Amino acid sequence: DTGVSQDPRHKITKRGQNVTFRCDPISEHNRLYWYRQTLGQGPEFLTYFQNEAQLEKSRLLSDRFSAERPKGSFSTLEIQRTEQGDSAMYLCASSTTAQNTEAFFGQGTRLTVV
Amino acid sequence: GESVGLHLPTLSVQEGDNSIINCAYSNSASDYFIWYKQESGKGPQFIIDIRSNMDKRQGQRVTVLLNKTVKHLSLQIAATQPGDSAVYFCAEKSGNTGKLIFGQGTTLQVKP
Repeated sequence: DTGVSQDPRHKITKRGQNVTFRCDPISEHNRLYWYRQTLGQGPEFLTYFQNEAQLEKSRLLSDRFSAERPKGSFSTLEIQRTEQGDSAMYLCASSTTAQNTEAFFGQGTRLTVV
Repeated sequence: GESVGLHLPTLSVQEGDNSIINCAYSNSASDYFIWYKQESGKGPQFIIDIRSNMDKRQGQRVTVLLNKTVKHLSLQIAATQPGDSAVYFCAEKSGNTGKLIFGQGTTLQVKP
């Protein structure tokens, strides 16, 4: 297993367009997380899944954002009607369900909205 | 070695010196803490973790100290190397939610 994989690594889109990112977690990990990171800041939690169930969503996740994990394996994060403020690094992480265990991060998708 | 009493965004140390990076966490109910290292253009990489029932944990060249009384966490790096140059984040978690709350990062610059 090569770790958490995210695709694409970079995305440039025009304001108003929809974008979708994909995350493939470490295969035996039940939990999958999405975070957003802007320049100079730490990652901010967006949402997480345990298997296919979306268990928690941050207030940061506006109605334009939707995440899915249909089969409990890979996940997608879609942003509709992108705005310039959506420009950020979108990070995916995965972990087991064991309490007090670290999450492993992917390399992220850098989104630029022009 | 260099140390940071309060959180500062940047720490510059000489190669071979020890580094101490500090972090204040927010939730007194947090029971698990992690230090991550993030290099430019990459995702955070796990360094070391500590549970709230401990006050010190050592890894290879790294030590994490936890002071629950003042909600303070520190990362000590021994014999700092150029490859240690990165941004370091502390993160906290409470219960079994899985959600991590990240602190402010500290940029570590290692001078040769």
